[in-house]
Amino acid sequence: DVKVTQSSRYLVKRTGEKVFLECVQDMDHENMFWYRQDPGLGLRLIYFSYDVKMKEKGDIPEGYSVSREKKERFSLILESASTNQTSMYLCASRGEDVSNQPQHFGDGTRLSIL
Amino acid sequence: KQEVTQIPAALSVPEGENLVLNCSFTDSAIYNLQWFRQDPGKGLTSLLLIQSSQREQTSGRLNASLDKSSGRSTLYIAASQPGDSATYLCAVKDLGGGADGLTFGKGTHLIIQP
Repeated sequence: DVKVTQSSRYLVKRTGEKVFLECVQDMDHENMFWYRQDPGLGLRLIYFSYDVKMKEKGDIPEGYSVSREKKERFSLILESASTNQTSMYLCASRGEDVSNQPQHFGDGTRLSIL
Repeated sequence: KQEVTQIPAALSVPEGENLVLNCSFTDSAIYNLQWFRQDPGKGLTSLLLIQSSQREQTSGRLNASLDKSSGRSTLYIAASQPGDSATYLCAVKDLGGGADGLTFGKGTHLIIQP
C-alpha cells in the first residue's frame, strides 16, 4: 500500500513566521502535490512537482513556495505566515501514468496561524 | 475552466438502504475521474478510479459509473452501513495543459443512521 506521511497533524504558528510542512511518500512516485482544503471552497491545488527540483504552480500559489530535493520528500513553505493561511493542508502523490494511477493522500496537517 | 458539482451536499439515510451520489463536470476532456472518502479531520482515501475509456468500476459494495459525454458520474453504495458515514468527494483529471492536479467537487456529507 502507498503511504503518504505528513510530519504534523496539528500545527500552531504566529503571523510572520516561516512555516515548513513536510510530506514523505514511500512508493517512489514521480509526482507530488500540495492542496489546501477550506469549508465552502473545497480542495485547491497550491503546487505540484513532477520530479526532483521540478515544480509548477497550481491554482493558488501566492504566499507559498515548495522544495523537492529528494524524490520521496516534498515540502511546502509559508514564507511569512498570515491568518488567511489557516487551513487544512493535504499532500498527495501519484505514479507516472496520469490516466490510470490514483492520487494517494496523507492524513493532512491542520495549520492555525494566530 | 473545469467545474465539478456534487449533489446532494448532504444525505441522511437509514442503515441498509442502497444510495446514489451524483457528480457532474463541465469539460468532458478528462483522463479519469476519481472518488474519495474523507472521514472528519482526516485525509482522503481513494475509493475508485475510472479511466475516460471506461464506463464503470466496482469495489465491494461500491460501484462507480462514468458517462463522459454528458459529464456525469455516480457512486452507488449498496446495503449502506453506519461505517459508510463520511464525506464523499469526486475529482477529475483534465486532459488540458497547466497544473497536473485534480479538480474537486465540494463533496456529499453522508450519514447512515443505525
